[in-house]
Amino acid sequence: GENVEQHPSTLSVQEGDSAVIKCTYSDSASNYFPWYKQELGKRPQLIIDIRSNVGEKKDQRIAVTLNKTAKHFSLHITETQPEDSAVYFCAGGGGADGLTFGKGTHLIIQP
Amino acid sequence: NAGVMQNPRHLVRRRGQEARLRCSPVKGHSHVYWYRQLPEEGLKFMVYLQKENIIDESGMPKERFSAEFPKEGPSILRIQQVVRGDSAAYFCASSPNFGGNNEQFFGPGTRLTVL
Repeated sequence: GENVEQHPSTLSVQEGDSAVIKCTYSDSASNYFPWYKQELGKRPQLIIDIRSNVGEKKDQRIAVTLNKTAKHFSLHITETQPEDSAVYFCAGGGGADGLTFGKGTHLIIQP
Repeated sequence: NAGVMQNPRHLVRRRGQEARLRCSPVKGHSHVYWYRQLPEEGLKFMVYLQKENIIDESGMPKERFSAEFPKEGPSILRIQQVVRGDSAAYFCASSPNFGGNNEQFFGPGTRLTVL
């Protein structure tokens, strides 16, 4: 089955700086890679996703890149703001096993 | 436009009791997933169901845990004879199509505490 590794587990950045979270996956059949944001005590919510037929996708301050050859994908947040503080989960799916989530990255935005 | 609903939001049980967690998917969604989240950990897949069928239960413990998604009514995750290690947040998600390559919409979760 799929195995998704996510790094770092905790990331602290100054407000206004950029944040990058990286994930690797193992199953070459995976073709769908969503990112979810979970605020404390809340439900995970999709913020951006990418399919394997594209290498990059952007939505305002958030972008995701995918390298199928190396089997890794990354989340980029620019001009970070206090409301970006949360736990971010990457996931891989599209094979037979559904979505497999990484362990999460706790993003802390320092004022 | 109701999203995924879960109840109860908080559930306290003593060791040995039964816990029943309910999930109503987004209207029109026929695919339901259950995940367990331990403190400071990620979302662990437990089971994937469609109406009246268990499609994949590879993430669910073989004993004490069961799940169903009947033709009418919510999906139920049932934990018999709960132990302290069952304390966690249990999230349900739904999707209109196979959720392995489509967005899954999450409910607010049920936080189970076993005393």
